[in-house]
Amino acid sequence: EDKVVQSPLSLVVHEGDTVTLNCSYEVTNFRSLLWYKQEKKAPTFLFMLTSSGIEKKSGRLSSILDKKELFSILNITATQTGDSAVYLCALANQAGTALIFGKGTTLSVSS
Amino acid sequence: EAGVAQSPRYKIIEKRQSVAFWCNPISGHATLYWYQQILGQGPKLLIQFQNNGVVDDSQLPKDRFSAERLKGVDSTLKIQPAKLEDSAVYLCASSLWGVLPGANVLTFGAGSRLTVL
Repeated sequence: EDKVVQSPLSLVVHEGDTVTLNCSYEVTNFRSLLWYKQEKKAPTFLFMLTSSGIEKKSGRLSSILDKKELFSILNITATQTGDSAVYLCALANQAGTALIFGKGTTLSVSS
Repeated sequence: EAGVAQSPRYKIIEKRQSVAFWCNPISGHATLYWYQQILGQGPKLLIQFQNNGVVDDSQLPKDRFSAERLKGVDSTLKIQPAKLEDSAVYLCASSLWGVLPGANVLTFGAGSRLTVL
């Protein structure tokens, strides 16, 4: 059964710290891995990593994919209180199928 | 572009009552999903539609949950009768259809939070 495991489940840091969120997965047929940020409302899309795009960066956020070791990390540098959210990792195992989500990592950034 | 619209945002009912949630996806998105997110958990797929056909409903508790997308656009998810364990946020999402990687990028609505007492 395809699955996604995220760690840690929760994390508390101070503003300005750098954090690393982990996502490991098991899949029979890998297509892509996605990261979402969920605040009070809907999950919003951050990155998609595929076999042809294993590194993504946007401002203070970056993510890499290791297809050999079956994991991905999401890095956030110089954290701000606005980064406080649940970060969800999701797996797409083939075209046209729904995403499989992990439980998420709750990040709290204190000022 | 307008996002995924969902209503109601909040609903409180007693167990054994019924409830319905509505979703209008992004225009042009052929695929529509209903996910259930229990507090502290990641979203879990309930049902996936491609236009007005069901692609995957293997995790939908069919004795109490039903969903339809009659004209291939908006969709309704119904629970009858509700149980305490149905308390969750019901997220609707939509995406393009196709083989390009972008078809796996789901856009979510704000969700409908259900509390069953």
